[in-house]
Amino acid sequence: AQSVTQPDIHITVSEGASLELRCNYSYGATPYLFWYVQSPGQGLQLLLKYFSGDTLVQGIKGFEAEFKRSQSSFNLRKPSVHWSDAAEYFCAVGAPGGGGNKLTFGTGTQLKVEL
Amino acid sequence: GAGVSQTPSNKVTEKGKYVELRCDPISGHTALYWYRQSLGQGPEFLIYFQGTGAADDSGLPNDRFFAVRPEGSVSTLKIQRTERGDSAVYLCASSPGLAGGAQYFGPGTRLTVL
Repeated sequence: AQSVTQPDIHITVSEGASLELRCNYSYGATPYLFWYVQSPGQGLQLLLKYFSGDTLVQGIKGFEAEFKRSQSSFNLRKPSVHWSDAAEYFCAVGAPGGGGNKLTFGTGTQLKVEL
Repeated sequence: GAGVSQTPSNKVTEKGKYVELRCDPISGHTALYWYRQSLGQGPEFLIYFQGTGAADDSGLPNDRFFAVRPEGSVSTLKIQRTERGDSAVYLCASSPGLAGGAQYFGPGTRLTVL
């Protein structure tokens, strides 16, 4: 069974600083990988996804993520954080080929942005 | 176009009561998913529909939970004899049903069992 670890429960960065949120997964082959963002009272919004091909994927709102097979990681990055990026971020893994894309989520990283 | 909608947005019930939670997926999406999110946790998979049939219900915690999607569009999650531990946000998502298709989530229904 697949699993996802987000080691950082809370992260605080200053506005304008760079950001990296860590995600490690466990799966026997190359999974589908996703990052979602959840603002208070809002549903989950898809930031980006990796299925195959180029290991550096670009998403919305200036986010990008890099799939590193050797490290079983899919870290999310942004060069310059805006105050509106404060939210909770979830990494998720899906199993290709079966299971219909059932997603397994990490426990999330809460991002606080200091002005 | 319209996204995934869920009703009600909030539901408060008493222990032992029956509740129904509704999900309207994005038009044309054949796959529909239910997840449950407890406080401080990521969403946990409950059940997945492809069309009208439940393709995977391995996440349903016990037989008090049941979901239907009779016409392949709207889905209802039904919980019998609710318990305080059922309190959570119930999220619905839909996708085009293609392999690896991204899932689009609704705002959720917050269920509180007193």
